[in-house]
Amino acid sequence: EIVLTQSPATLSLSPGERATLSCRASQSISGYLAWYQQKPGQGPRLLIYDASTRAPGIPARFSGGGSETDFTLTISSLEPEDFAIYYCQQRSIWRPAYTFGQGTKLEI
Amino acid sequence: QVQLVESGGGVVQPGRSLRLSCTASGFTFSNYGMHWVRRVPGKGLEWVAGISFDGGETYYADSLKGRFTISRDNSKNTLFLQMNSLRLEDTALYHCAKDIGTTARWFDPWGQGSLVTVSS
Repeated sequence: EIVLTQSPATLSLSPGERATLSCRASQSISGYLAWYQQKPGQGPRLLIYDASTRAPGIPARFSGGGSETDFTLTISSLEPEDFAIYYCQQRSIWRPAYTFGQGTKLEI
Repeated sequence: QVQLVESGGGVVQPGRSLRLSCTASGFTFSNYGMHWVRRVPGKGLEWVAGISFDGGETYYADSLKGRFTISRDNSKNTLFLQMNSLRLEDTALYHCAKDIGTTARWFDPWGQGSLVTVSS
């Protein structure tokens, strides 16, 4: 099973600052990676898929990059509503199977 | 707008069965794959199972294969998860999620979840 390791576990920043979140896979996953945002009491929301494609309706301040084993989610200028938990997710290259990272909490 | 509402959760004894439902609205249900994902206390998110738009293909997490069955009724816009031989470690919040394609791509949106507690 492919393990995704997210870092840092917690990121403390202020509105207007730039946030960079990391997700590392235990083996190559090509570009089969997505990022989700979760707020309390809600299901996760898809932000980025296929490593760098923004989902419909997602603001341009969110961007994704990376390939193979190292991926990043960047929020260029934090808005108050961006403080949440962020998860990365990978899909196996070989068959439909998924794992998630443990999450990064973005806090003020 | 797209809405997914899970139901059927509750408290169940180990070894018993439970069936979750997910009622969909706001989109053409029969055009999209669907998934179940659970949030296990202290462990994070775990993908459980997925199903193609027409129900012809199903996929499971290796750790759950044989105990859980995913299915769908496109005439009723409803997704199901049949859970048998439940264990203490199956205690979780179970979310259904719409695939962005016909099968096995990415998940958006998700429902708010249905809580399953396995306890003696």
